[in-house]
Amino acid sequence: QKEVEQNSGPLSVPEGAIASLNCTYSDRGSQSFFWYRQYSGKSPELIMSIYSNGDKEDGRFTAQLNKASQYVSLLIRDSQPSDSATYLCAVPHTGNQFYFGTGTSLTVIP
Amino acid sequence: EPEVTQTPSHQVTQMGQEVILRCVPISNHLYFYWYRQILGQKVEFLVSFYNNEISEKSEIFDDQFSVERPDGSNFTLKIRSTKLEDSAMYFCASLGQGALKLFFGSGTQLSVL
Repeated sequence: QKEVEQNSGPLSVPEGAIASLNCTYSDRGSQSFFWYRQYSGKSPELIMSIYSNGDKEDGRFTAQLNKASQYVSLLIRDSQPSDSATYLCAVPHTGNQFYFGTGTSLTVIP
Repeated sequence: EPEVTQTPSHQVTQMGQEVILRCVPISNHLYFYWYRQILGQKVEFLVSFYNNEISEKSEIFDDQFSVERPDGSNFTLKIRSTKLEDSAMYFCASLGQGALKLFFGSGTQLSVL
C-alpha cells in the first residue's frame, strides 16, 4: 500500500491569512501530485497539480514540491471563508491508481 | 466542462439486499474508478477499470463487489449482499488518455439499515 499522509487538522486561520497544508508520501517513484478540495457532502474537486520540484502558483494557491523529502504542500494566500473545506492530497502510481490522504480540514474565520 | 454523472444520489437499502450504483463517465475517457468515503474518513480506492476489465482492486473490493460496463456508456458497481459497514458515499471517477486529471461524479450516498 502506497501511503499518503496529511495532518487531519482541523486547521483554523483568520480571513486574509495564509493557510499552509502539508502532505508526505511514501513512494519515491511518484512523479505527479495533486491537491483536491472537498466541501462537506460534495465530491473532490481538483485545484492544483505539480510535477516538478519547486513552487507552482495559480492565483491565491501555491503548491510546493520537494521530491527528496517526499513532501508536497499547498499554501492558500488571502484565505477566504469560501476556502473552508477539506483539502486532499492525491498521488497516483502505476496503473493510474490514485491514493488519497485523509485530508486536512480548514476553517477560515471571518 | 464535461461531467461524470452518478445515480441515484441517495440509496437506502436493507442489510443483505443487493444494490447497483450507476455512473456515466465522460464519453472519451478510458479509465474508470470507484471510490468510497465513509463519513469523516478518507477517500478509499475500490477498483479501477480499463479496456473492459478490472485493472486494479483494493482489499475492500471483495467477492461481494462487482463492476460492469454493460453498454459502453454506463459503469456500474454492484454490491451483492450489503452490510451495515457498506454505508458510505460512493464516488465514480474517470480519467482521459494521457491526462492525470480525475473527474469525480457527485456521489451516491448509500445507507444500509
